[in-house]
Order: sequence, then C-alpha cells, then structure tokens
Amino acid sequence: DAGITQSPRHKVTETGTPVTLRCHQTENHRYMYWYRQDPGHGLRLIHYSYGVKDTDKGEVSDGYSVSRSKTEDFLLTLESATSSQTSVYFCAISPLPTGMDSNQPQHFGDGTRLSIL
Amino acid sequence: QKEVEQNSGPLSVPEGAIASLNCTYSDRVSQSFFWYRQYSGKSPELIMSIYSNGDKEDGRFTAQLNKASQYVSLLIRDSQPSDSATYLCAVNWDDRGSTLGRLYFGRGTQLTVWP
Repeated sequence: DAGITQSPRHKVTETGTPVTLRCHQTENHRYMYWYRQDPGHGLRLIHYSYGVKDTDKGEVSDGYSVSRSKTEDFLLTLESATSSQTSVYFCAISPLPTGMDSNQPQHFGDGTRLSIL
Repeated sequence: QKEVEQNSGPLSVPEGAIASLNCTYSDRVSQSFFWYRQYSGKSPELIMSIYSNGDKEDGRFTAQLNKASQYVSLLIRDSQPSDSATYLCAVNWDDRGSTLGRLYFGRGTQLTVWP
C-alpha cells in the first residue's frame, strides 16, 4: 500500500469551528489531492498540490483552504465548518500528474469521516 | 462541463457469472481511464487503467475502451462474492490546461455477487 496516513480518522465537531485535516505521505510524491465523497455525488476534487507551496482549486473548493509547507504533508482546513461539509474526505497522491503522457494513477489514503453538528 | 456517467446499480450477478460495468464520458479530449474498487467504508483501490482503444486484460478483469463512442467498460469474469463492492470509473482530460493532473469520477456502480 502507498504510504499515506490521514488524521484524524474520525471527527465530530460543531458548526462554526475551524477544522484541519492532515495527509502525510512517505512516498516523496509531488502531487497530492483532497477529495470529498458524498452519497449521490461520488468523489469530487477540493484542492490539489503540485509541489511545496504550489496549490490550486478543484471543483468544490469554496469554504476550504489548503497548505503544503513540506513535500510529505498536505493540510486541508475548514475555516468555519458548516453542516454541508459533513462528508468523508480522502487524500490521494501521485508521483506525476495524471495524464500529460504520464498516465500516473492516484492512490488513496484511508479517509477521514467528518461530522459537523 | 466534464462529466463521467455510470449506472448506479445495484448490479446483481450470481457467482461465476460475468459482471459488466459501463462508463461514459462527455469530452473527446481524454487521455487516461481508471477503474477503482471501493468496499463499503474503505478507500478506493485502483484495479485497472487503460489508455488506448481496445481491450486490456489483467487476471479476471478486462477493461475496454472505445474513444470514438466515449465509453469505457470493465468486465469481471468468474465473479466472486469478494468482488461485491462499488466500482468507480475515473477519467483524466488531458487538455494541458486547468485540468492537469485531475481525475473526474463517476458516481460508481454497486455490484453484488451472490453465492
């Protein structure tokens, strides 16, 4: 299995509180991704990173921010959590961008189940 | 708008049968196609990738790609109860622009293999 650790694995918090999820990888991969998975929507990209301090938005980035100060860590922050952000969050990594002639797949961490009351 | 469509199922087949999972996508500027398996409560696990038109076989799994018709399928031969899971189709659009490195996922097809 790809060396990806997500923390925490489960979290329950209240509306309006800040929340930070961590993704840690030991593969030294350049590309890291944050997804959320909801019933009826499948996996949707929130933000991704293509290097230290290099990040970009995905399809559902509103209400989320990210940071990547080291190759191995990619943090996802909910500045003021809302009930609509209750979801399962997955981190994924790849050594090169998927596509662009590299055809590199993404490998996923075990996920964080976040409940916002 | 880049879209990936899958039948949500559930698809139910008996043990030993062939399970056929289908996926269509909206844009011809495509490059890479992936099938992930996800057991309930677990993370997606890559099982197949395909990049060229035609068939690609790996054990009991065969991926089929037809770019002209914009569909990709996954066949599972000799289905086993352990194959019961949700299968996610993912597509990368290689337009060398804003979608660099991104995967777009379908909603998944739930497969049940009964003994």
